[in-house]
This record gives sequence, structure tokens and C-alpha cells, in this order.
Amino acid sequence: GAVVSQHPSRVICKSGTSVKIECRSLDFQATTMFWYRQFPKKSLMLMATSNEGSKATYEQGVEKDKFLINHASLTLSTLTVTSAHPEDSSFYICSARRDRDEETQYFGPGTRLLVL
Amino acid sequence: AQKVTQAQTEISVVEKEDVTLDCVYETRDTTYYLFWYKQPPSGELVFLIRRNSFDEQNEISGRYSWNFQKSTSSFNFTITASQVVDSAVYFCALSMVFVGNMLTFGGGTRLMVKP
Repeated sequence: GAVVSQHPSRVICKSGTSVKIECRSLDFQATTMFWYRQFPKKSLMLMATSNEGSKATYEQGVEKDKFLINHASLTLSTLTVTSAHPEDSSFYICSARRDRDEETQYFGPGTRLLVL
Repeated sequence: AQKVTQAQTEISVVEKEDVTLDCVYETRDTTYYLFWYKQPPSGELVFLIRRNSFDEQNEISGRYSWNFQKSTSSFNFTITASQVVDSAVYFCALSMVFVGNMLTFGGGTRLMVKP
């Protein structure tokens, strides 16, 4: 299989605090992982590409200082939403590509973030 | 530029009906991949199928079937004898080798199967 987990599945935080979301590939190595954001009833929007051992590549319009990405191992990438504000409330989904299969992305279950 | 269009935003059917979800794509590349993902209410995207641009053979998997036609740039998905558990949002996506296999998603089609 190709299982990707995310933690936490749901988080509520106060405005101004930082929130870290973890994405793990459980049964495969993933040099490349992706972070998406999804608004209600909308499609997925790619935020950034996370590469193990190097800096993430951010899509246009995504603030890299706001959304910190760290990909320290072949099975773990983290997204930290710094100084969160209510407009950061959203559904964040990560995906991972198996190193031996670069064509297919496998998605995690997502994290619902609510900033009060 | 690449683009994926799912013209049907919502479809409602009664259980046991067949339903086809349309997907039309645009790309200038000759080497690309097409995908379908299912997103049930829980939120997780479930991978259903991948097709590469050189393989136009249609595929059937149980009640699911896919029709890939390069001549019309379409990759349609049919569910036969739909069930309530098929209710979800379905996304069609395109990736191209020259942009590192990044996924471009369509807008999604919300399928509601009523008992």
C-alpha cells in the first residue's frame, strides 16, 4: 500500500499562535511531499513542494514565512502555520510520492484548522 | 498552460443508476498522466486510477470504468449501478513530466447518490 498520515486531524487555536501539522508516509519513502489547501466546496490549491534535505518550493502568492515547511526525513514533512489568523482557517492536505513511482501522489486524511 | 475542466459541479442520482463524470483537459505536452481521486465526506483523497498519455485503453475495475480519448482530450469516469457509498466529490487531475509531475486539479464533481 501507500499510506500517508497527518496529525492532528483537527485543531482549534487562538489567533496569533503557531500550529504545526505533520505529514508522514507510513510504508514508503518519499523524497517529495506536497502541501495543499482546500476551501469549502473548492478544489485543492497547491501551496508548496517539500523536498527532503532542501528548501521547499512555494507557489506564487504563498508566504513562505507564514507557512514554514520542513522535510527532515524521507518519511516526514511538517507545515507550521505561524502567527495564525482567522483567514488561515482551512483544510490542509498533504501528499507524498513514492520514490520509486514518481507519477502518483498519495494523500493524507487532511487537517482541519480553525483559528479563533 | 495546463487545465482540467469538470463541467458538472453537482450530480444527483438514485441508487442503482449509472452515472458518468466528465473530465476534459488541456496540455501542450505529449507525455502526461491523468488521475481520478475520490474525496468522501471525511476529507481524505483516495487514489482511483492513473493513466499515461500513451495508453488509451479503457479500464474497468468492478463498477468503475474509465474512458480515455485523446482525440477529444477527455478522461471520463463511469460508475455502474451506483451506491450510496459512492457519494463523494470526485476530482480529475493532470500531471506533466516537464513540470515535475505536479498535479493540476479540476474543480471537482459532487456526486450524491440517493437511496
